[in-house]
Amino acid sequence: EPEVTQTPSHQVTQMGQEVILRCVPISNHLYFYWYRQILGQKVEFLVSFYNNEISEKSEIFDDQFSVERPDGSNFTLKIRSTKLEDSAMYFCASSERAGIYYEQYFGPGTRLTVT
Amino acid sequence: KNEVEQSPQNLTAQEGEFITINCSYSVGISALHWLQQHPGGGIVSLFMLSSGKKKHGRLIATINIQEKHSSLHITASHPRDSAVYICAVFKAAGNKLTFGGGTRVLVKP
Repeated sequence: EPEVTQTPSHQVTQMGQEVILRCVPISNHLYFYWYRQILGQKVEFLVSFYNNEISEKSEIFDDQFSVERPDGSNFTLKIRSTKLEDSAMYFCASSERAGIYYEQYFGPGTRLTVT
Repeated sequence: KNEVEQSPQNLTAQEGEFITINCSYSVGISALHWLQQHPGGGIVSLFMLSSGKKKHGRLIATINIQEKHSSLHITASHPRDSAVYICAVFKAAGNKLTFGGGTRVLVKP
């Protein structure tokens, strides 16, 4: 069964460094999402992406964050200058289309630890 | 106030017991997801529903749009059902999910 994959599974970085989290969505899906979950808290929406542009973003997704689909398969989340509070689990998701009839499929997550 | 509230926050059951997890929301929605998060952190979609009831194996999900309430039932619970169960809603406008805080379920053998 097709699945969303994410790399790396765990990333440790120092405060102020740039990180890129990578996702490979399901191949025929057109909508892509990033969510994050700070330890012990609920999952929060970061950004959605369609047709090579951001379709919606949350207040968390500030200028330090960017997303890109550099080729036909990868979808990346970049954090330019990491802060301690960026430590969280980051989930990528994809859906075939937008709308209530199309489920979002989640990747296994990347645990980001900022020291 | 949280837009999506789940209860209980924690639940312990004996193997074989019937489990119910509740989700209430305060916003207009177009659909609701029930998700399962295992200890390793990965999230798996269980159901997406916008009305009525869905059943998959021992799992049943119901939604009442008028009352803004959904329930997830696990029949004949098993230790492998131990996980965090999360309710998430699609608001009436937009395509993003808004999540509840999750219900941590522990099923003891």
